[in-house]
Amino acid sequence: KQEVTQIPAALSVPEGENLVLNCSFTDSAIYNLQWFRQDPGKGLTSLLLIQSSQREQTSGRLNASLDKSSGRSTLYIAASQPGDSATYLCAPSSQGGSEKLVFGKGTKLTVNP
Amino acid sequence: GAGVSQTPSNKVTEKGKYVELRCDPISGHTALYWYRQSLGQGPEFLIYFQGTGAADDSGLPNDRFFAVRPEGSVSTLKIQRTERGDSAVYLCASRGQGAAGELFFGEGSRLTVL
Repeated sequence: KQEVTQIPAALSVPEGENLVLNCSFTDSAIYNLQWFRQDPGKGLTSLLLIQSSQREQTSGRLNASLDKSSGRSTLYIAASQPGDSATYLCAPSSQGGSEKLVFGKGTKLTVNP
Repeated sequence: GAGVSQTPSNKVTEKGKYVELRCDPISGHTALYWYRQSLGQGPEFLIYFQGTGAADDSGLPNDRFFAVRPEGSVSTLKIQRTERGDSAVYLCASRGQGAAGELFFGEGSRLTVL
C-alpha cells in the first residue's frame, strides 16, 4: 500500500526566500507524480506533473524533481511571495488498475510580507 | 464547461438522511475519481470510473456509499443514512489522456451532518 509523507508539515518564511518542500513515498512503481496547491476552503490546483521517466519539471518559479528509485520528490519555490501561501500536496499515481493518486497530508506554507 | 464542476458546494443535513453529490467532469474525460478530505488531512480515494463502469471502488468506506456514472459523463455520489462521521469535503477529479495524464479537481462539496 502506497504511503506518502510530506516534510515539513508547516513552514513559515519571509517573502523572497527560496524554499524546498519534501515528499517521500513507499512504493516506487508509479506512473507519475503531481504537485498541487490548495487554498483554504478550495479544491486542488495542479502545479506540476512529472512522468515516471522524467527527473524534473519546471513551471515559472516552481521546479519539481523526482527520484523514483528512492521514493522522493521535492518542490522548489524560488523567490517566494505572499500569494504562494497555501497547502502544498504531492501525490504519486500508482501503476496497475485505477492509477489513483495517493496523497500526503501536505505542507502548509506561509510567506510573510 | 472548462473545469470540473461540483454541486452543491455546501450541503447541511441531519443524521440519517440521504444525500446526493454531483460531479460534472471536463468534457471528453473518461476517467473520473471521487475523493474525501477531512480537516487537516490529504484527500482519500473513494472510487474510480473508467467510462460508465466503476473500475475500482476499494476506497468506499461501507455499503452506505454508492456512486454511479450512467452515461460516462456526470457522476453522482450517494450516501445513505448519513452519520456525523461522514462530514467532510467530497472532491471529484477527472483525467483525459490515459493513465499518465494530469488529474484535474473540482472545488468540492462540503458535507456537514448534524
